[in-house]
Amino acid sequence: KQEVTQIPAALSVPEGENLVLNCSFTDSAIYNLQWFRQDPGKGLTSLLLIQSSQREQTSGRLNASLDKSSGRSTLYIAASQPGDSATYLCAARMDSNYQLIWGAGTKLIIKP
Amino acid sequence: NAGVTQTPKFQVLKTGQSMTLQCAQDMNHEYMSWYRQDPGMGLRLIHYSVGAGITDQGEVPNGYNVSRSTTEDFPLRLLSAAPSQTSVYFCASSYYGRATNTEAFFGQGTRLTVV
Repeated sequence: KQEVTQIPAALSVPEGENLVLNCSFTDSAIYNLQWFRQDPGKGLTSLLLIQSSQREQTSGRLNASLDKSSGRSTLYIAASQPGDSATYLCAARMDSNYQLIWGAGTKLIIKP
Repeated sequence: NAGVTQTPKFQVLKTGQSMTLQCAQDMNHEYMSWYRQDPGMGLRLIHYSVGAGITDQGEVPNGYNVSRSTTEDFPLRLLSAAPSQTSVYFCASSYYGRATNTEAFFGQGTRLTVV
């Protein structure tokens, strides 16, 4: 059974720092992996999607990488800002049935 | 494009009442799904559909019904509301199968309280 783990559960850093959020999965038979952002009381906003054949994707200050062999994905945020404060979730889409398997999220706080 | 639209945004029900949460998407996505999100439990799949007329159960289907008569709409019915169904409900959609892009899009959620 696929399990997706996000560590740490919470992270607080000063503004301006570069940071890395981690997502690990136990079954490498994934179709793709997607990173989301969720603000308090709001829905989920898609940030980046990485296909299983890709190594990384970039959008602005965000860079997501995928290493299927080690079962890891990372979300790199450059020059963090207070507006980046949110919960970040990763989800692996299974190759077998296309269902999304979710991590529990990392709550990120950027201190001004 | 509106994307994924959920209604209502908030709802309070009494135990035993029934209601339907609406979900509509305008992206012609085959795959639609319903999740509930509870503190400490993460997102859990309730039901999903891979096309009109095709639905299947997810991880936590008990107490919920779905149908998919059109590509656009995927309503979630609570048959007899219970306090344990107090949660935030999200609808999501994406392309399905070996499509190039199966990026999932989410609605803004329905916050349901059962008293």
